[in-house]
Amino acid sequence: EAGVTQFPSHSVIEKGQTVTLRCDPISGHDNLYWYRRVMGKEIKFLLHFVKESKQDESGMPNNRFLAERTGGTYSTLKVQPAELEDSGVYFCASSQAGQDFSYEQYFGPGTRLTVT
Amino acid sequence: AQSVTQLDSHVSVSEGTPVLLRCNYSSSYSPSLFWYVQHPNKGLQLLLKYTSAATLVKGINGFEAEFKKSETSFHLTKPSAHMSDAAEYFCVVSFYSSASKIIFGSGTRLSIRP
Repeated sequence: EAGVTQFPSHSVIEKGQTVTLRCDPISGHDNLYWYRRVMGKEIKFLLHFVKESKQDESGMPNNRFLAERTGGTYSTLKVQPAELEDSGVYFCASSQAGQDFSYEQYFGPGTRLTVT
Repeated sequence: AQSVTQLDSHVSVSEGTPVLLRCNYSSSYSPSLFWYVQHPNKGLQLLLKYTSAATLVKGINGFEAEFKKSETSFHLTKPSAHMSDAAEYFCVVSFYSSASKIIFGSGTRLSIRP
């Protein structure tokens, strides 16, 4: 079974440009999460999809970040325009149906975003 | 307020010696507790989890952790370190109510000396 995949693995962009990160969850997983780890800091929750609906987006830092999950399958996270403080590693995770957070979350390898 | 603290940012042990990675949490609710490991260029992988069943939890690769409510701790241990254990380890606390209550520790990088 394929795990969670993320694309690209690394992106280097200039301040003011736009970047779109993609996450493909494990097939059949209704829950999809985005997290971010800024250099030297903790991994922070960004948002949670249940199928195609945003269940909780309280962790999104500002309106320069837009997440979508087309048809409840893959998800994209767009940053427009990117700022220097957006640099970090963006992780995606998925888990099976239900909102019991004792379910294991399966993480992708992350996308390392560098804004120069 | 809910929080999780990993007391050591870096731990170095010799191969074959015990491993202890410390984690303390603060919570007003009954939490679920997890340890995840991240090897270079890989995603986080679940080592073990505590969800109010047995307080001593056994995980993969010989790791285990003990939930101690009185000490609000969930330390990760392994009797004998292997070179392949070198990685970053995260203690994670989650609360039933919301995904936004998933809190990660700052991580502990484990190095293994030959």
